[in-house]
Amino acid sequence: GAGVSQTPSNKVTEKGKYVELRCDPISGHTALYWYRQSLGQGPEFLIYFQGTGAADDSGLPNDRFFAVRPEGSVSTLKIQRTERGDSAVYLCASSAGAFDSQYFGPGTRLTVL
Amino acid sequence: KNEVEQSPQNLTAQEGEFITINCSYSVGISALHWLQQHPGGGIVSLFMLSSGKKKHGRLIATINIQEKHSSLHITASHPRDSAVYICAVLYSGGGADGLTFGKGTHLIIQP
Repeated sequence: GAGVSQTPSNKVTEKGKYVELRCDPISGHTALYWYRQSLGQGPEFLIYFQGTGAADDSGLPNDRFFAVRPEGSVSTLKIQRTERGDSAVYLCASSAGAFDSQYFGPGTRLTVL
Repeated sequence: KNEVEQSPQNLTAQEGEFITINCSYSVGISALHWLQQHPGGGIVSLFMLSSGKKKHGRLIATINIQEKHSSLHITASHPRDSAVYICAVLYSGGGADGLTFGKGTHLIIQP
């Protein structure tokens, strides 16, 4: 079956621009997670959705970052006024429930020039 | 801060060797994941465990809840096992509901 997909696979933008990153989870998975992985580091948690609501957004670094999941399926991570330090691979994962195995998407590589 | 520590950070071995990667964490967890990431590739979940031991093919994962420690073993290692292996935990008792990751172990298996 189809796994987690993310678009775009690569995004290059200029400092100060707005970007949106999309995640399509596995059908039926109620839990969705966003992580960020900087070069040479392990991923870091950003936000967790259970259904349509953000159950935990404690990992978002500041108010330039925002994520939505309006229908409990596809999620969009939005970054305003991008900075060079936002450059990273943004990973999405989904699971059937909060305590089930997480399945990761291929990631979106964001480069802010 | 709840941390996940992995060792070694880098490991180079010869094909056929038995490989062990270690992971330790600081407080109680609900589950521990072992993940594999190939260069330029996505992350693949190998195991999720909360107690005991799991085996899949040449891979074995163990966890000792009392000692807050887990190991990933690879038997009869092969060059295709070369990847970054990441330990990640889901902490219990509140806090972030996402996984907390170690920095990964970069494994190279030479033919």
